Amino acid sequence: DQQVKQNSPSLSVQEGRISILNCDYTNSMFDYFLWYKKYPAEGPTFLISISSIKDKNEDGRFTVFLNKSAKHLSLHIVPSQPGDSAVYFCAARNNNNDMRFGAGTRLTVKP
Amino acid sequence: NAGVTQTPKFQVLKTGQSMTLQCAQDMNHNSMYWYRQDPGMGLRLIYYSASEGTTDKGEVPNGYNVSRLNKREFSLRLESAAPSQTSVYFCASSGRTGGWTEAFFGQGTRLTVV
Repeated sequence: DQQVKQNSPSLSVQEGRISILNCDYTNSMFDYFLWYKKYPAEGPTFLISISSIKDKNEDGRFTVFLNKSAKHLSLHIVPSQPGDSAVYFCAARNNNNDMRFGAGTRLTVKP
Repeated sequence: NAGVTQTPKFQVLKTGQSMTLQCAQDMNHNSMYWYRQDPGMGLRLIYYSASEGTTDKGEVPNGYNVSRLNKREFSLRLESAAPSQTSVYFCASSGRTGGWTEAFFGQGTRLTVV
């Protein structure tokens, strides 16, 4: 049962433009959501998170939006840079600290 | 400043062999996880340990066992390896400072079962 879904396997954007990565979840018990970035041959690294009591969290060029009623979150990267090219994973966690990930979206930022 | 350390980094097993993947964290975190990453499947949770002394199944626990040896260490055992267990395995840990922190990951173990 895939409880966290990233339906876009890949996304390509031009440098300087906005990247929008989407994520949907099915389990209403999730109360904390995270985005991770992964480069080849490395472990995932934390990027940004949001609690279910908020609808937006911003950190520099990265903003995460949460729509609880739609069980949907998105990550916005503005402006996109070539160094942002990586695989991005969405994750969701419940209050027992069970944490599930989506399948990932490969972002390519073209110079 | 090690964070989460996994050993080994690479391993080749023959079908039916057993092995244990080791994971240790030095951040005094309560929770630890084992995930596997397969192409197109993302990170799938095998087992997790919310706190020392507890373990719970994740999405894909079949064929695996875990041991939370102490607060620092969480091992993953394959009793009889199968080619379907060829994957990259990641260990992670997370703690609690007020609310839960984000999870920190190890560098991964690339396992091939032939």
